[in-house]
Amino acid sequence: GAVVSQHPSRVICKSGTSVKIECRSLDFQATTMFWYRQFPKKSLMLMATSNEGSKATYEQGVEKDKFLINHASLTLSTLTVTSAHPEDSSFYICSAQDSWGGNGQFFGPGTRLTVL
Amino acid sequence: GEDVEQSLFLSVREGDSSVINCTYTDSSSTYLYWYKQEPGAGLQLLTYIFSNMDMKQDQRLTVLLNKKDKHLSLRIADTQTGDSAIYFCAESFQAAGNKLTFGGGTRVLVKP
Repeated sequence: GAVVSQHPSRVICKSGTSVKIECRSLDFQATTMFWYRQFPKKSLMLMATSNEGSKATYEQGVEKDKFLINHASLTLSTLTVTSAHPEDSSFYICSAQDSWGGNGQFFGPGTRLTVL
Repeated sequence: GEDVEQSLFLSVREGDSSVINCTYTDSSSTYLYWYKQEPGAGLQLLTYIFSNMDMKQDQRLTVLLNKKDKHLSLRIADTQTGDSAIYFCAESFQAAGNKLTFGGGTRVLVKP
């Protein structure tokens, strides 16, 4: 149980285009999902907290107009990187938390974004 | 503020025990976690401990929590080559919507 999927696993795009990454909880309902960014050999940096049916809460320094988050259902959250630039290249990981929250967050396998 | 620190690297021989250490500064955490990350993959939840517990054992994994010293450790018994990975400790705060604060990760290399 507690499986989280991400799609795509890897994407290469041209500078200036937008990329959408999906995060799905497959066997539980996730009232809260989190989006992280991980630089090579570094820890995870929380970008935003996404609650179903409401606006995402962004961490300080994260541009909400650049990283659009939509949490339309209890099993799906999407992150759209708008007008991507090479410096947006990174490993993006989502996690999902069940309604209790005490079980921790269950992480997706990550999406490797490369912007040319 | 929240600050979680880990040593960068640990080398261990196959069959020995590994001990990964973590220190944190905020004593108001609700839960503390250990995650494992293999190359190019997401994070796998290994185990967690409620902040009012001292110890938790789960098969080869033993978590020790010293609240006085704000020290968390993960012991892996009979370490195998498949245990080679990066291990992250993390703390969550119920009052902050269970957001996780991660340590920098400890890279564990198991030598045959």
